[in-house]
Amino acid sequence: SAVISQKPSRDICQRGTSLTIQCQVDSQVTMMFWYRQQPGQSLTLIATANQGSEATYESGFVIDKFPISRPNLTFSTLTVSNMSPEDSSIYLCSVGGEKGEQYFGPGTRLTVT
Amino acid sequence: QKEVEQDPGPLSVPEGAIVSLNCTYSNSAFQYFMWYRQYSRKGPELLMYTYSSGNKEDGRFTAQVDKSSKYISLFIRDSQPSDSATYLCAMSLGYGQNFVFGPGTRLSVLP
Repeated sequence: SAVISQKPSRDICQRGTSLTIQCQVDSQVTMMFWYRQQPGQSLTLIATANQGSEATYESGFVIDKFPISRPNLTFSTLTVSNMSPEDSSIYLCSVGGEKGEQYFGPGTRLTVT
Repeated sequence: QKEVEQDPGPLSVPEGAIVSLNCTYSNSAFQYFMWYRQYSRKGPELLMYTYSSGNKEDGRFTAQVDKSSKYISLFIRDSQPSDSATYLCAMSLGYGQNFVFGPGTRLSVLP
């Protein structure tokens, strides 16, 4: 399975600011995903980011709020824009495996004050 | 009705017990079924992956899928304190399709 790293591992941000989260994979992958996990909750898919195409957002998530870049097959970024306390969450990137499974990074723990 | 349901626990068992974790789902079109383990403040770790119905065994872990009942299970034999974590089931319609996760079951294995 791929080794996935995320930066930053955690951050505390002020309301109204933006944070860009980086996801780096040690091998080339076609499919990358971004999830949100709110405290005590399960994972909710934000968007799918495939290299060479625009990200596909799930219902309830919009590009203006969560812009995503996928410049190559090993890297992606998710920006959380104009943050509010409701954005406090863990943000996780994952990559698709050969059999359709997914492997997750360690997550970025975001607190918005 | 939620698409995937899972008893949130917490479930506490003594060390060495057999643990049974379960998920039910409503969409009969799901084909891929996964179990993830998530330790506190860590990302989910893939434990088991199953396509369609049947059983799959890996060490102390056994995954079962019963598509006729829309029910999947994860069994942990000889449970250890290191198995204490939240267990998430996930399923998808097909290769490359989005995953739907259950809410997770928090397991504590007591020494």
